[in-house]
Amino acid sequence: GAVVSQHPSWVICKSGTSVKIECRSLDFQATTMFWYRQFPKQSLMLMATSNEGSKATYEQGVEKDKFLINHASLTLSTLTVTSAHPEDSSFYICSASTTGMSYEQYFGPGTRLTVT
Amino acid sequence: GQQLNQSPQSMFIQEGEDVSMNCTSSSIFNTWLWYKQDPGEGPVLLIALYKAGELTSNGRLTAQFGITRKDSFLNISASIPSDVGIYFCAGHRNGGATNKLIFGTGTLLAVQP
Repeated sequence: GAVVSQHPSWVICKSGTSVKIECRSLDFQATTMFWYRQFPKQSLMLMATSNEGSKATYEQGVEKDKFLINHASLTLSTLTVTSAHPEDSSFYICSASTTGMSYEQYFGPGTRLTVT
Repeated sequence: GQQLNQSPQSMFIQEGEDVSMNCTSSSIFNTWLWYKQDPGEGPVLLIALYKAGELTSNGRLTAQFGITRKDSFLNISASIPSDVGIYFCAGHRNGGATNKLIFGTGTLLAVQP
């Protein structure tokens, strides 16, 4: 149980275009979803926290107009990287929580974004 | 953003050896978690610790929540090749406006068969 999927698993896009990443909780309802970014050989850095039906809460330094997060249902959250640039190339990982508590979250397999 | 300090940064060991890694913080946490991340995958939870002094095992893995609530360690006994990966600690604080995990810097483990 507690499976989280991400789609796509990898994506290559051209600079200036937008790309959407989906995060789904497959066998449970997620009141809260978290989005992380991980650069090579680095740790996970939280980008934003989203509760179903509410606006996402972004971490300091994360541009909310560039990284659009939508959490329209209890099983789906999306992250859209708008006007992507090469420096946005990274591994994006989502996680989902049934309780809303961050210490009870299940991670997705990640999405590798490469911006050329 | 804030990160927890993990040591060692990397370890290269022989199969069968025991491994120990730790995680320290300048501030208190109420929950400590240990995750393993394989290349190109998301983290998988290994052990969760909820009380200061708690010692918990999961197969060959043992983790402890430091009595000061500012540190935690993870031991792996009799390592095997599939233990290869990056191990992250993560801490959580109860209450307040924050509800997020703070991750450690990671320990890369390589196991020589």
